[in-house]
Amino acid sequence: DTGVSQNPRHKITKRGQNVTFRCDPISEHNRLYWYRQTLGQGPEFLTYFQNEAQLEKSRLLSDRFSAERPKGSFSTLEIQRTEQGDSAMYLCASSPPTDTQYFGPGTRLTVL
Amino acid sequence: DAKTTQPPSMDCAEGRAANLPCNHSTISGNEYVYWYRQIHSQGPQYIIHGLKNNETNEMASLIITEDRKSSTLILPHATLRDTAVYYCIVRVAWETSGSRLTFGEGTQLTVNP
Repeated sequence: DTGVSQNPRHKITKRGQNVTFRCDPISEHNRLYWYRQTLGQGPEFLTYFQNEAQLEKSRLLSDRFSAERPKGSFSTLEIQRTEQGDSAMYLCASSPPTDTQYFGPGTRLTVL
Repeated sequence: DAKTTQPPSMDCAEGRAANLPCNHSTISGNEYVYWYRQIHSQGPQYIIHGLKNNETNEMASLIITEDRKSSTLILPHATLRDTAVYYCIVRVAWETSGSRLTFGEGTQLTVNP
């Protein structure tokens, strides 16, 4: 399968714990995006990488959130000191320079 | 990016064409119309996009009005597996920054047997 992959698919954690999600983009896609989706809403943009550079961050990305894309390949999204309000589906997308974004299956986070 | 307006829900009979409308009256000349869909609990799936000409691919057709203020996504022979939320998004393509997709609430399409 050559699509965008995300791991884990599901994560249950207790409030206050740290969690990390991984996204592997489509090979040779130089752009990578993170979105968050809460129940009943459309996805909301979090952040965007072009190669290894993080070019844009949403105001939704509080200081408890950090994203990296070392070497311009896979990316990780870490949430520190999770809160119940962080419960959501976290989506990753990648795109080539023509910029049509292709999404992964998402990681569903539940904070107890 | 321009704002879009879509009906919250639509129904369609299996085997019939599904026509999903989208209004984007404030679209700019350099903004494309993109369509994605999201089947329950899955990531959004890219369907099609266009600038001003009608477009067709293996999944759907996109009809954009001449003034570009509205468009229609057509699924020619809807199946039960087409039941999903359909999002119409307008955005500038090939930007070097600010390439986010801004999703609205979309249209819940239900295909009935």
